[in-house]
Amino acid sequence: DVKVTQSSRYLVKRTGEKVFLECVQDMDHENMFWYRQDPGLGLRLIYFSYDVKMKEKGDIPEGYSVSREKKERFSLILESTSTNQTSMYLCASSSIGQGRYEQYFGPGTRLTVT
Amino acid sequence: GQNIDQPTEMTATEGAIVQINCTYQTSGFNGLFWYQQHAGEAPTFLSYNVLDGLEEKGRFSSFLSRSKGYSYLLLKELQMKDSASYLCAVRTYGNNRLAFGKGNQVVVIP
Repeated sequence: DVKVTQSSRYLVKRTGEKVFLECVQDMDHENMFWYRQDPGLGLRLIYFSYDVKMKEKGDIPEGYSVSREKKERFSLILESTSTNQTSMYLCASSSIGQGRYEQYFGPGTRLTVT
Repeated sequence: GQNIDQPTEMTATEGAIVQINCTYQTSGFNGLFWYQQHAGEAPTFLSYNVLDGLEEKGRFSSFLSRSKGYSYLLLKELQMKDSASYLCAVRTYGNNRLAFGKGNQVVVIP
């Protein structure tokens, strides 16, 4: 079974603090993704990576950056948090093998910025 | 761009059958995925369709019509644990990413 883990389930931060969210997958997947999910807005892609040290902006990259130094690990960085970044953050990974690209998700991190 | 539409909510009775629809508009279609997401949890992969027709997997079946830009997920013999949001997602050629709909919340009542 594919396993995707995230560093925290719940985080509470103050406005202006720096936050690192880490995601690790154990299936040697090439692609990794960071989403945020908000009521009524669905899943929105922040950034994704298709290889080590490669990254591409998703639909809402502003206020975020990412790092992928190793294939199994993809980090989301919030340099200076704001209250509008309160959300559920979901990491996912997928493989290019078999041409299907279904994504497997981690358990999510619920971030609250006060 | 891609446009994916799903109804927002439906209620069904335990033991019944429910059909969850998804319509999409995209160029270069290359696969449709269904995910189940329980409240407060991550989405889990249910099914994949790339060719027209019905794919059956136990109590769940998924149908695709590429010419109509339409898919549905059929849940049979509904159980209380099927109460969840069901997301459809579309992939296009040359793209590693998926475009997700906003999800259809299914509430199962006794």
